[in-house]
Amino acid sequence: DAGVIQSPRHEVTEMGQEVTLRCKPISGHNSLFWYRQTMMRGLELLIYFNNNVPIDDSGMPEDRFSAKMPNASFSTLKIQPSEPRDSAVYFCASSFRVAGEKLFFGSGTQLSVL
Amino acid sequence: DAKTTQPNSMESNEEEPVHLPCNHSTISGTDYIHWYRQLPSQGPEYVIHGLTSNVNNRMASLAIAEDRKSSTLILHRATLRDAAVYYCILRDLRNTGTASKLTFGTGTRLQVTL
Repeated sequence: DAGVIQSPRHEVTEMGQEVTLRCKPISGHNSLFWYRQTMMRGLELLIYFNNNVPIDDSGMPEDRFSAKMPNASFSTLKIQPSEPRDSAVYFCASSFRVAGEKLFFGSGTQLSVL
Repeated sequence: DAKTTQPNSMESNEEEPVHLPCNHSTISGTDYIHWYRQLPSQGPEYVIHGLTSNVNNRMASLAIAEDRKSSTLILHRATLRDAAVYYCILRDLRNTGTASKLTFGTGTRLQVTL
């Protein structure tokens, strides 16, 4: 299995632009998680899905952030408009079930908003 | 949520055993103890988990105190590739509502030297 696949690996954009991060979970996994990592705040859970349905988005920082999971093999995290403080590494993770024992993480997307 | 306390950093010599401590004095009876690690420029990686008994796998061993208020991750022979941040996390796997919130603390940064 290729593992959790995230794209792009790096994204550099200007303030005010729309940014879309993509994630392909491991086949057969029915739970998907989006995390953000910064030096100041560490790893934060933004939102998670179970069977393509958003379960808890309380970690999403603002209305500028939105996430979708149109099918079991694809999810997006969108920031519109982006701001410099959104600069971080964004990780996607998947597991077999919400309370599954292991989360498998992708390699992350390094986002820089200038 | 029950919290964990870990030292900020530890050092080890290569091929020596490493004992990474974690305190979790407010652990509940249904909390599982999970360990993840994050290598430089990578997403977190599952290492091991346990409930009451000591656990072994190909990566590490987990020793859990009898009162469960502390645990120790044991790397039997550290290598340079084990240099990472190690996170000790409590997860209530019987509660699907909150179990998904894999909440990362600051972890222990392990340095391995020749």
